[in-house]
Amino acid sequence: AQSVTQPDIHITVSEGASLELRCNYSYGATPYLFWYVQSPGQGLQLLLKYFSGDTLVQGIKGFEAEFKRSQSSFNLRKPSVHWSDAAEYFCAVGADTGNQFYFGTGTSLTVIP
Amino acid sequence: NAGVTQTPKFQVLKTGQSMTLQCAQDMNHEYMSWYRQDPGMGLRLIHYSVGAGITDQGEVPNGYNVSRSTTEDFPLRLLSAAPSQTSVYFCASSYSLTDGQYFGPGTRLTVT
Repeated sequence: AQSVTQPDIHITVSEGASLELRCNYSYGATPYLFWYVQSPGQGLQLLLKYFSGDTLVQGIKGFEAEFKRSQSSFNLRKPSVHWSDAAEYFCAVGADTGNQFYFGTGTSLTVIP
Repeated sequence: NAGVTQTPKFQVLKTGQSMTLQCAQDMNHEYMSWYRQDPGMGLRLIHYSVGAGITDQGEVPNGYNVSRSTTEDFPLRLLSAAPSQTSVYFCASSYSLTDGQYFGPGTRLTVT
C-alpha cells in the first residue's frame, strides 16, 4: 500500500539557518511527489512537485527538494530560513493505482529569532 | 479566478443533524477531493472524483456522501453528524495526479 512518512513531528530552527524536512514514501511505481505548506488557519499551498526529469526541483519561496529513488525519499530544503516560513509542511504522493493522493502527517516548523 | 471556494467557514452541529459542505472550483479541473484534517493525523481522504458523474471512496468515507453532477461543484454531505466528525474539512481540485492540488480555505466543523 502507498504511504508517506514524515519522521519529524516538530522542528525548530534559527532564522537564517538552513532547513531540511524529511519525507519517505512507499510506492511500487514512479511516484508523483509534492510538498505543501499550511499557515495557521489556512488551506494548503503547493510548494513544489516532482514526477519526472531532473531529480532536484525548485519551488516557490526559495524551497527545493531532491528525489532519491534509492532511498525512497523526497526531502525539502531551504538554505536560509525566514521567520515567515514558520508553518506546517506536508509531503504527499500521487498514485496512479487508486487515483489518489496520500499525505504524510506533517512537520511543524518553528523559527526562532 | 476564485480558485477553490468552500462554504461555510465554520459550522456547529448537534449530534444527528445533517448538513452539506459546499465546494466549487472555477479552473475546469476534473479531479476533486475531500479531506479531513485532525491533529497529528495529517490529511485523510474522504471521497474523491475524477470527473462529473464519477465518485469513489477514500480512506475514511463512512458517514459521508458525495455527488458530482457538474465539473465545478463537489458537495460533501454529512448524513447524521457524530462528535467523531468534529474536524477541519478541506476540498481540493487538480488537473491531474501529476499537477498537484489546489486547496480551499477549509470548513471548521464542530459536532456537539
